Amino acid sequence: QVQLVESGGGVVQPGGSLRLSCAASGFTFSSYGMHWVRQAPGKGLEWVAFIRYDGSNKYYADSVKGRFTISRDNSKNTLYLQMNSLRAEDTAVYYCAKDPESQWLGPPGWFDPWGQGTLVTVSS
Amino acid sequence: SYVLTQPPSVSVAPGQTARITCGGNNIGSKSVHWYQQKPGQAPVLVVYDDSDRPSGIPERFSGSNSGNTATLTISRVEAGDEADYYCQVWDSSSVVVFGGGTKLTVL
Repeated sequence: QVQLVESGGGVVQPGGSLRLSCAASGFTFSSYGMHWVRQAPGKGLEWVAFIRYDGSNKYYADSVKGRFTISRDNSKNTLYLQMNSLRAEDTAVYYCAKDPESQWLGPPGWFDPWGQGTLVTVSS
Repeated sequence: SYVLTQPPSVSVAPGQTARITCGGNNIGSKSVHWYQQKPGQAPVLVVYDDSDRPSGIPERFSGSNSGNTATLTISRVEAGDEADYYCQVWDSSSVVVFGGGTKLTVL
């Protein structure tokens, strides 16, 4: 079955960097767009970034633009999120999620499934 | 940027029908997706493209979308339906947008 497993979370100081990974299995990873979504403690869901199946286009929320970079390695079935210049407000559980359509160049769709999430804490 | 508005909370007795709304400007022209999130768990898709259900989701979950309001309807509510529910759309100006979430309490 489709499985997404995030890793790389932890505690980092303000201004620091962290790279998250999302290992995918159970589907042809190279054919699907992928998202990162975060959820601050006790708060709602916030979309972070999206990358097309072939890496040709990347989109970011305004709150992370210029600081975060989404990327993928289709040979390793892995999605990444490089986070730089981290701020306290970036503290959240970060989820990766799969877009529904294979080799799709249209707008992003729904998210299914989601990984279990990895916690990032930005604190001195 | 596009904004989706959900009521913070909805309460319903077991066996009754819960309706959770998601308001947005001309949301009826967009495809709306709904997620259920239980405490400590990742979100789960329960309705996509306004009214379609993924496999494994009970028929009690249904959706509609028209005008400025989309609605998730849960019929014959059970204790296990207690969770947070989020609506989501794609918008050309904001890319992906989530509503603020609604906490469903089963009395």
